[in-house]
Amino acid sequence: NAGVTQTPKFQVLKTGQSMTLQCAQDMNHEYMSWYRQDPGMGLRLIHYSVGAGITDQGEVPNGYNVSRSTTEDFPLRLLSAAPSQTSVYFCASSYSPLPQGDYEQYFGPGTRLTVT
Amino acid sequence: DQQVKQNSPSLSVQEGRISILNCDYTNSMFDYFLWYKKYPAEGPTFLISISSIKDKNEDGRFTVFLNKSAKHLSLHIVPSQPGDSAVYFCSPIYGGSQGNLIFGKGTKLSVKP
Repeated sequence: NAGVTQTPKFQVLKTGQSMTLQCAQDMNHEYMSWYRQDPGMGLRLIHYSVGAGITDQGEVPNGYNVSRSTTEDFPLRLLSAAPSQTSVYFCASSYSPLPQGDYEQYFGPGTRLTVT
Repeated sequence: DQQVKQNSPSLSVQEGRISILNCDYTNSMFDYFLWYKKYPAEGPTFLISISSIKDKNEDGRFTVFLNKSAKHLSLHIVPSQPGDSAVYFCSPIYGGSQGNLIFGKGTKLSVKP
């Protein structure tokens, strides 16, 4: 199993450009999520999905779109990049949070994005 | 308002000694508490967890203690090793909200040889 893969590893964008961060998992996990990590801020949830065709907003969704057409893939789209979106982005997956259980999230290696 | 707080941004300990990382939370509905470890330029990895019905869970050198009345949990690492140097995140979970997977801001542990 490759686990959770993310591409690209690094990306530099100019303000106003758009792009898609790719995320894929091969563990048949229902739950997938996107986080951003900024210095001193921990991991903040952007969007999440509890299954194909179902997505919802997290704590910091503005400026980002997601879709989940398959169980395996969960791309994150930046509509019009802004310097405030400079961050490290992590994709994660896990078994469904319902019913309640001691489930862990599996994280990808991250994408380091710089917006100039 | 933060539902989970890790008030110590950093901690430095000597190799072989105990490391204690703390986490405080506000929501009494949390069912499980997970600790993740993160090395630079890598994604977080799961370390250890505890159910809200327990007060202690041990896995090798790692032990997590939960004090529900104080809404406080701690991760103990004994003995600490240089390879334990990483950022540790506390992440509480409750099943009532499917998307409410939150993390503390993390504590950077440095274990000196």
